[in-house]
Amino acid sequence: GENVEQHPSTLSVQEGDSAVIKCTYSDSASNYFPWYKQELGKGPQLIIDIRSNVGEKKDQRIAVTLNKTAKHFSLHITETQPEDSAVYFCAASSRSNYQLIWGAGTKLIIKP
Amino acid sequence: DSGVTQTPKHLITATGQRVTLRCSPRSGDLSVYWYQQSLDQGLQFLIQYYNGEERAKGNILERFSAQQFPDLHSELNLSSLELGDSALYFCASSLGGGNQETQYFGPGTRLLVL
Repeated sequence: GENVEQHPSTLSVQEGDSAVIKCTYSDSASNYFPWYKQELGKGPQLIIDIRSNVGEKKDQRIAVTLNKTAKHFSLHITETQPEDSAVYFCAASSRSNYQLIWGAGTKLIIKP
Repeated sequence: DSGVTQTPKHLITATGQRVTLRCSPRSGDLSVYWYQQSLDQGLQFLIQYYNGEERAKGNILERFSAQQFPDLHSELNLSSLELGDSALYFCASSLGGGNQETQYFGPGTRLLVL
């Protein structure tokens, strides 16, 4: 079945710098790739998603890129701010299964 | 605020006991999902219900069961509790039953088994 690997498990960056989190998936039929952000003490919240018919999607300081050939997708956060500190989860799904398969999460720490 | 409510917020119980966690989805959402998140662990998908019917099953133990009622709220029952069941339990909801819809998460129930 589908497997999603997420790296790194922890990422520490200086405020103002960029952060990149990478995920790889195993099922070539996967066509939907969301990213969720979990702030301390809260449930995860969707921040951006991408479908396999596009290679990149941007929303202000965040962007997601997808490489279908290599079966990996990445979250890019530019000009990081203290409020970006959180755990970020990637996920993948295809229309052939009922589940959204989640990565293990990345703890992003923004250093002042 | 996601619109998903979960009760109770905290629960402390003893090994061998049984507890029930409750979830009310966002107004209009037909799907409810249950997840387990242990300390420093990722999200483990347990089970999904769509309009009262079981839709997908993840790594849910036999000691755990869930159901979705006609008013669409859901309950997760955990029985014969073990120390390792201590975790955050999240409920999420989505409008439809597909796996490519936005899931809206509740604030979670923190379960501590002593």
